[in-house]
Amino acid sequence: QKEVEQNSGPLSVPEGAIASLNCTYSDRGSQSFFWYRQYSGKSPELIMSIYSNGDKEDGRFTAQLNKASQYVSLLIRDSQPSDSATYLCAVRDSGAGSYQLTFGKGTKLSVIP
Amino acid sequence: DAGVTQSPTHLIKTRGQQVTLRCSPKSGHDTVSWYQQALGQGPQFIFQYYEEEERQRGNFPDRFSGHQFPNYSSELNVNALLLGDSALYLCASSLSWGGEQYFGPGTRLTVT
Repeated sequence: QKEVEQNSGPLSVPEGAIASLNCTYSDRGSQSFFWYRQYSGKSPELIMSIYSNGDKEDGRFTAQLNKASQYVSLLIRDSQPSDSATYLCAVRDSGAGSYQLTFGKGTKLSVIP
Repeated sequence: DAGVTQSPTHLIKTRGQQVTLRCSPKSGHDTVSWYQQALGQGPQFIFQYYEEEERQRGNFPDRFSGHQFPNYSSELNVNALLLGDSALYLCASSLSWGGEQYFGPGTRLTVT
């Protein structure tokens, strides 16, 4: 059973601070990793994808990947109240012909004004 | 650029009934995946359709079936509904090689 683990939170950070969200995965062969943001009552929205070890930056978001440690993280700089949501980590399963994403349960982030 | 669309938005069904949910992928995408999201959980993969065929299936019973049409739109059918089928059903579109999947707004199914 391939697993993706996230702290459920809630993670509370003050406005303007850096929020750090973490995710570990069990499938050592996985090559594709994604972060989705989901507001309450809405569907997941893709915010970052990362495929290679290291950091990938997009605006206030930075995704970090360490395949040796089977660890992926998302940093949100200058956090805003509008960033308050559940953040889902998703990993594409390895193996020939596998396209499904395995999701963690999500980390609930609360940015306090 | 049209995003992923789903219909209906909400649906209430009685145990034992059958339901059909519909999805149109993002413009330029040819692959559709379906996920079930229970409250407080991450989405669970049901199956993926490409070239009008089921390409991969998750751990869901045969009561869950689907179809993809020549215009790449897709349907999810669930027979003999159970109370436990109550969930948010999400459609995601992507390109055939894999990569990023973009979700539609979802269909909230309630089984009573």
